Amino acid sequence: AQSVTQLGSHVSVSEGALVLLRCNYSSSVPPYLFWYVQYPNQGLQLLLKYTTGATLVKGINGFEAEFKKSETSFHLTKPSAHMSDAAEYFCAVSFSGGYQKVTFGTGTKLQVIP
Amino acid sequence: KAGVTQTPRYLIKTRGQQVTLSCSPISGHRSVSWYQQTPGQGLQFLFEYFSETQRNKGNFPGRFSGRQFSNSRSEMNVSTLELGDSALYLCASSSSQGERNTEAFFGQGTRLTVV
Repeated sequence: AQSVTQLGSHVSVSEGALVLLRCNYSSSVPPYLFWYVQYPNQGLQLLLKYTTGATLVKGINGFEAEFKKSETSFHLTKPSAHMSDAAEYFCAVSFSGGYQKVTFGTGTKLQVIP
Repeated sequence: KAGVTQTPRYLIKTRGQQVTLSCSPISGHRSVSWYQQTPGQGLQFLFEYFSETQRNKGNFPGRFSGRQFSNSRSEMNVSTLELGDSALYLCASSSSQGERNTEAFFGQGTRLTVV
């Protein structure tokens, strides 16, 4: 079975500060890992993904995440928060060889304080 | 390239009625998945279709059903609506090649309100 745990349902950072959103996964097979962002009343937009290869993954809008197998983690970071980053972020996992079933975490709402 | 299109965007239905939601995937994508998003339960997988066949199914009652057409467009149907079915329903498409996963691209969702 696969699952995702996101630590912190709400995170607040000051504009210009480091953004760190935590995600730990559980998967019995090599995982595919994703971070999605959702703005109010919108669908989900893919920020970045890890499938195989380089463990540091760079995504859109200056975000990046590092796959750490030993820690079963895939934390999302951004060096400097911008007001437009305020949104809800979802970590997700799927099987590397399975069908298109993605398991999502419960989400983290990011607030950026001016 | 057009994105995933879901219609309608908003829907209000009465308890006991049924509803059909539509999803047009990105051109060339043959896999369509459906998710339910609620404040209490978060994002939950409903089912996935590939080449008109349901390949995977989440843990939802039989009132929730779906289908996919030869052009990859998909519909999901909810019968005998309950208040708890009020949610944002999201559709995602991917260019899944056999069993190989690719990332899912999401539509903007259909907001269903049951009164």
